[in-house]
This record gives sequence, structure tokens and C-alpha cells, in this order.
Amino acid sequence: DVKVTQSSRYLVKRTGEKVFLECVQDMDHENMFWYRQDPGLGLRLIYFSYDVKMKEKGDIPEGYSVSREKKERFSLILESASTNQTSMYLCASSRGQGALPLHFGNGTRLTVT
Amino acid sequence: RKEVEQDPGPFNVPEGATVAFNCTYSNSASQSFFWYRQDCRKEPKLLMSVYSSGNEDGRFTAQLNRASQYISLLIRDSKLSDSATYLCVVIPNDYKLSFGAGTTVTVRA
Repeated sequence: DVKVTQSSRYLVKRTGEKVFLECVQDMDHENMFWYRQDPGLGLRLIYFSYDVKMKEKGDIPEGYSVSREKKERFSLILESASTNQTSMYLCASSRGQGALPLHFGNGTRLTVT
Repeated sequence: RKEVEQDPGPFNVPEGATVAFNCTYSNSASQSFFWYRQDCRKEPKLLMSVYSSGNEDGRFTAQLNRASQYISLLIRDSKLSDSATYLCVVIPNDYKLSFGAGTTVTVRA
């Protein structure tokens, strides 16, 4: 069974802090994704990566960056956290060409105060 | 206009009832469609794909209407365990999925 693990379930950070969200998958998937989920807006793609050291902007990349130094790990970085980045962050991975089926991690609920 | 729109609900139905809801999409070139299920405070999980000719998986039936650009999900003989938020997913290109905001279904005893 595919496992996508996010390092933290809940995080509370202060405005202006640098925040790292880590995601690890154990199924040798090529593709990894970061989404945020907000009520009424659904899941919105922040960044994705289809190979090591490759990254592509999603729909809402502003204020975020990513790092994929190893195939199994995809990190989301908030350079200077702001209150409007309070959200549920979901990491996902998939194999090969195309995005589906997506396997999600169980999410990190980030609160920025 | 959002790429994918869903009626947020909630749909409150008694056990055993049939419930159906749609998801409309704006990109006519979209090729692939899926329904995901998300339980409260959990991650989304793939429920079923949606094929052009329509498809069933047990009590769940998915349909695609390309002319009107919507997909639908019908749940027959609802169970308490069907209570969840159902997300539709549309793929306009290979990697960038578009998610709907979800339709909440609550099945009551």
C-alpha cells in the first residue's frame, strides 16, 4: 500500500517565520504535489514535481517554494509565513505519466498567527 | 469562472435513500474525470473514475455528459458510512488536476 507521510499533523507558526513542510513517499513515485485546501475553494495546486530537482508552478505558487533533492521527498517552504497561508496542506504522489491516481498524505493543518 | 464547480450541499438524506449530485467543468478539452471521497479531517481518497459511457461500482454510479460539461455521482441505498465530502476531479492536461470544492453528504439513521 502506498504511504505518503507528512511530517506534522498540526503546526502553529508566527507571521514572518520560515516554515518547512516535509513530505515523504515510499513507493518510488515520480510525481509529487503540494496542495492547499480551504473551505469553499477546494484543493488548489501550489507546486508539483515530476522528477528529482524538477519543479513546476501550480495555480497559486506565490509565497511558496519547493525542493526535491531526492525522489522520495518533496518539501514545501513558506519563506515568510503570513496569516493568509493558514490552511490545510496536502501532499500527494503518483506514478509515471500523468497525475492519477493521486495518493494523498493525511495533511498538515498550519496556523499562522 | 471556476474550472470546476460543485453544489456544496449539504445533502441530508435518510439511510436507504438515493442521492445524486453534479459537478460542472469549464474546459471542454478535459479528458479525464474522477470522484474522490474525503472524510472529515482526513485526506481525499479515490472513489472511482468516470468513463464516457458511465460506470457503476456497487451502489455508486458515475456519468459524464460532455455536451453539457458535467459529471454526476449517484449513490443508491445510502449507508451511514457514505457520509463524507465528495470531490470531483477534472484533468485538463496531464498534471494539473482541477478539484471541485466538494459536495457534502450526510446520511442519517
